[in-house]
Amino acid sequence: KQEVTQIPAALSVPEGENLVLNCSFTDSAIYNLQWFRQDPGKGLTSLLLIQSSQREQTSGRLNASLDKSSGRSTLYIAASQPGDSATYLCAVSGNDYKLSFGAGTTVTVRA
Amino acid sequence: GAVVSQHPSWVICKSGTSVKIECRSLDFQATTMFWYRQFPKQSLMLMATSNEGSKATYEQGVEKDKFLINHASLTLSTLTVTSAHPEDSSFYICSASAVGGGGTDTQYFGPGTRLTVL
Repeated sequence: KQEVTQIPAALSVPEGENLVLNCSFTDSAIYNLQWFRQDPGKGLTSLLLIQSSQREQTSGRLNASLDKSSGRSTLYIAASQPGDSATYLCAVSGNDYKLSFGAGTTVTVRA
Repeated sequence: GAVVSQHPSWVICKSGTSVKIECRSLDFQATTMFWYRQFPKQSLMLMATSNEGSKATYEQGVEKDKFLINHASLTLSTLTVTSAHPEDSSFYICSASAVGGGGTDTQYFGPGTRLTVL
């Protein structure tokens, strides 16, 4: 069974600092990995999707890397802003097309 | 594009009653829909996968007689929590996929439904 772990569970940084969020998974046989953002009491917003054959994806200030062989992904958020405060979830898709989620990293960016 | 809605966004009910939650894909046809539940400060746990016109596939430990799922059309899936109890209080989120689900295709998530059972 796929297990997804996100470290740290919570992170607080001053505005302008870069954020580094880590995700690890136990079964490297994945189809893709996604990073989501979740605001309190809300649904999920997809940020980046990395196919298993890719090493990274970028969107604006966000960059996500994938090392499938070691079962790791890292989400980088450059020049953080208070609006980046949210919970970030990592999820991997297996050969059964189901998503396995990590517990998330709750980010607070202080103004 | 690829918008998924849920209704209601929140519901409060008495213990013992049943509650129906709708999940709709507004601008695409969803061959597969997924239902998740999320407890406070925890991750999303997949409850079941439903394909249009066929019975849902439930994850281990999820009671299929308690959580009834119907996927009658390519744009609508419903989750009915039968004889709800306080321990069923949770945040329920659906997602929809256009082709096959997961894999190289993205799941689009609804905004979630907060269920509180008194």
